[in-house]
Amino acid sequence: DTGVSQDPRHKITKRGQNVTFRCDPISEHNRLYWYRQTLGQGPEFLTYFQNEAQLEKSRLLSDRFSAERPKGSFSTLEIQRTEQGDSAMYLCASSRIRGGSNIQYFGAGTRLSVL
Amino acid sequence: ELKVEQNPLFLSMQEGKNYTIYCNYSTTSDRLYWYRQDPGKSLESLFVLLSNGAVKQEGRLMASLDTKARLSTLHITAAVHDLSATYFCAVDKGWGGADGLTFGKGTHLIIQP
Repeated sequence: DTGVSQDPRHKITKRGQNVTFRCDPISEHNRLYWYRQTLGQGPEFLTYFQNEAQLEKSRLLSDRFSAERPKGSFSTLEIQRTEQGDSAMYLCASSRIRGGSNIQYFGAGTRLSVL
Repeated sequence: ELKVEQNPLFLSMQEGKNYTIYCNYSTTSDRLYWYRQDPGKSLESLFVLLSNGAVKQEGRLMASLDTKARLSTLHITAAVHDLSATYFCAVDKGWGGADGLTFGKGTHLIIQP
């Protein structure tokens, strides 16, 4: 399978705990994105990497959130001191610009529930 | 701030009927995308529209883009039950800006036999 993979698929945690999610992009894609999606809403952009450089962060990405892409391949998203409002689906996407388009291919997501 | 609005947000229709979903966006953008999401699943890319007047078709779905009106449409022809899903349009800032997508709230489409 050469699609975007995310791990874990589901995470249940208690408020105040730290969690980390992993994303493995499509291998030839140099761009990687993190989004958050809540029920009944469209995905909201969190952050973007080109190779290992983090080039943009949304204001939604509070100080408790940090993302890395250390070697320009897989990425991790960590949430520290989780809050109930962090409960959402966290989606990863990857892309490579071709022919003027930048189609982002999404993984299946990690569903986070904060109790 | 780039804003994307879709309407309707919810649509129930019968098989065999035609309908159109509308997507308005607030600022100039070079690239508009349509995605499909099935319940509990991730997003599947349907179309990318890159220029004014662009039209793409796949099966019973056709998407178009009017950059002057900042409007894209997704037209469904002779709907079938398998097209039931949530459809999102999304816009990025194009070559001049960063590449995170701004999504609409989605149109939840139910097609009844």
